Amino acid sequence: DIVMTQSPLSLPVTPGEPASISCRSNQSLLDRNGYKYLEWYVQKPGKSPQLLIYLASNRASGVPDRFSGSGSGTDFTLKITRVEAEDVGVYYCMQALQSPATFGQGTKVDIK
Amino acid sequence: QVQLVQSGAEVKKPGSSVKVSCKASGGSFRNYAISWVRQAPGQGLEWMGAVIPLFGTSSYAQKFQDRVTIVADESANTAYMEVTSLRSEDTAVYYCAKDGDVEDSTLYSYGMDVWGQGTKITVSS
Repeated sequence: DIVMTQSPLSLPVTPGEPASISCRSNQSLLDRNGYKYLEWYVQKPGKSPQLLIYLASNRASGVPDRFSGSGSGTDFTLKITRVEAEDVGVYYCMQALQSPATFGQGTKVDIK
Repeated sequence: QVQLVQSGAEVKKPGSSVKVSCKASGGSFRNYAISWVRQAPGQGLEWMGAVIPLFGTSSYAQKFQDRVTIVADESANTAYMEVTSLRSEDTAVYYCAKDGDVEDSTLYSYGMDVWGQGTKITVSS
């Protein structure tokens, strides 16, 4: 199975400031067509997870443009340009290249 | 707009089985995949398996291969996930999620973009 490693695991943030989460895979997530099968999800307290980013850099429908995803074959980043109070939650990266899909450990984002 | 509604919470005895349903409304049920993801108390997310109604196929994480069955009933727009031989470690919230769309007989991955509300399964004697 592909192993996904996130850092940091805890991220206190100040509203209005930027934030960044790193995700690394132990195998390339780049397929032969050039797509990077990396997804980002956020799980807000008491809620179901929700999709933020798919194919490494595509925002899901309804996701604010302060969220962006980038990365190479094995190193990926989720950036929030200006954190808002509603962004608190646990952020997960997930690889969708190979079955089984595997998640990172999660990064807990909360307000300082 | 696709919505997924799951069956309610259950308490089960060790060694028994549980079947969780995930009813879809909106969209074309047979043309997308449904994945199941679970989350043990205080833990992260774990992908269990998926079903593609159009193809009639299911796939599983090896960890769950022997005890989990995922099927879809197109006539009811409902996917089901059954876990047998339950043990305390199966205590978790189980989520279904729409996972990709079938176009021209190919499944395209656009992420798990619609999730059910989750079903809490407690395994306790």
